[in-house]
Amino acid sequence: KNEVEQSPQNLTAQEGEFITINCSYSVGISALHWLQQHPGGGIVSLFMLSSGKKKHGRLIATINIQEKHSSLHITASHPRDSAVYICAPAHIDTDKLIFGTGTRLQVFP
Amino acid sequence: ETGVTQSPTHLIKTRGQQVTLRCSSQSGHNTVSWYQQALGQGPQFIFQYYREEENGRGNFPPRFSGLQFPNYSSELNVNALELDDSALYLCASSLGLAASYEQYFGPGTRLTVT
Repeated sequence: KNEVEQSPQNLTAQEGEFITINCSYSVGISALHWLQQHPGGGIVSLFMLSSGKKKHGRLIATINIQEKHSSLHITASHPRDSAVYICAPAHIDTDKLIFGTGTRLQVFP
Repeated sequence: ETGVTQSPTHLIKTRGQQVTLRCSSQSGHNTVSWYQQALGQGPQFIFQYYREEENGRGNFPPRFSGLQFPNYSSELNVNALELDDSALYLCASSLGLAASYEQYFGPGTRLTVT
């Protein structure tokens, strides 16, 4: 079983829809990153969380340390949000990132 | 302030050959981490360098080795290439060792081994 599980694996939405991507992990963590990867490979860091909730523009990330779960929400989705979203917790023992396989999001006009 | 850069962008090598990939970290960043991302998978941690010393290594064989230079740029070397080494290789720099620092990723080097 993978240490980091993301759901759904693939997500299709109409422009304007509210999107939720979930991440569950089975290990103790010191922090959790949400990353965005566009076609071609470039990765951009969206959030780093160790507790609670963070908001940046139309993006919201939450984490529940006790339940070992984090969510990434996109409000008023737009075609430019189409990308792979990757959850990457930092393992508490090594303090190194472990990655989910990502959620591929496509937003259509 | 320049971002993280990697070279080359694409590379094709033959099984058994050796390859060197390069990463220039963001200005002021003393930590560089290298990752391998196979098609359709999430990145896997290879190793991390902090102030020219290796600080942690993932589950990769010794033919994967690295260096960090005094200007904090870094190299990843892979010897005796195998077909399974075909992947996107990403480096990320950060202000410090802790994983809670924001990670700045380069565009990656896509390696194909034939």
